[in-house]
Amino acid sequence: SQQGEEDPQALSIQEGENATMNCSYKTSINNLQWYRQNSGRGLVHLILIRSNEREKHSGRLRVTLDTSKKSSSLLITASRAADTASYFCATQGAQKLVFGQGTRLTINP
Amino acid sequence: DGGITQSPKYLFRKEGQNVTLSCEQNLNHDAMYWYRQDPGQGLRLIYYSQIVNDFQKGDIAEGYSVSREKKESFPLTVTSAQKNPTAFYLCASSRDGVQETQYFGPGTRLLVL
Repeated sequence: SQQGEEDPQALSIQEGENATMNCSYKTSINNLQWYRQNSGRGLVHLILIRSNEREKHSGRLRVTLDTSKKSSSLLITASRAADTASYFCATQGAQKLVFGQGTRLTINP
Repeated sequence: DGGITQSPKYLFRKEGQNVTLSCEQNLNHDAMYWYRQDPGQGLRLIYYSQIVNDFQKGDIAEGYSVSREKKESFPLTVTSAQKNPTAFYLCASSRDGVQETQYFGPGTRLLVL
């Protein structure tokens, strides 16, 4: 399966600290995407990184992709209470997007 | 406002009953998707459609059915054959079915009475 596996499953940090989440997958991909889900809500797309890219930034988000290790990381800098959510990586192969089980991030004030 | 709407927000199903979840988009997207999410889990693909009048089974299609008669609409029916339907159902769309970002609706929570 190409399913992404996030690590850690849960992360709790203080407001202002940086949060790092990791995603590993098993087969070759065309792109990898990160999504955020607030409790009981739909998913919101954060960032897409293609297989020929190594790093992308969007505001306080930084995503890296290492295709040789089949892994990606999402870094949220200067975390805020509003960043509390679940974060999912999703790998895009030839046909469909496959989601991991997510990392639950809690930002403590 | 452009986006994806799902209704109802909560749906209750009696045993042996079929229920239909609505998904509408006004983004002019060709592709639409249905996912199931169980508590603390990721999303699993039920069905997807890349074009009107065509759809394919995802990973967990048994007990579900869909139709795609209009570009804007992709309703999901949870049939009585689905023995464990309690879950959060998410609809999504993308510009096309290949290498694209997906946009999600707010979800429907289905509960069994």
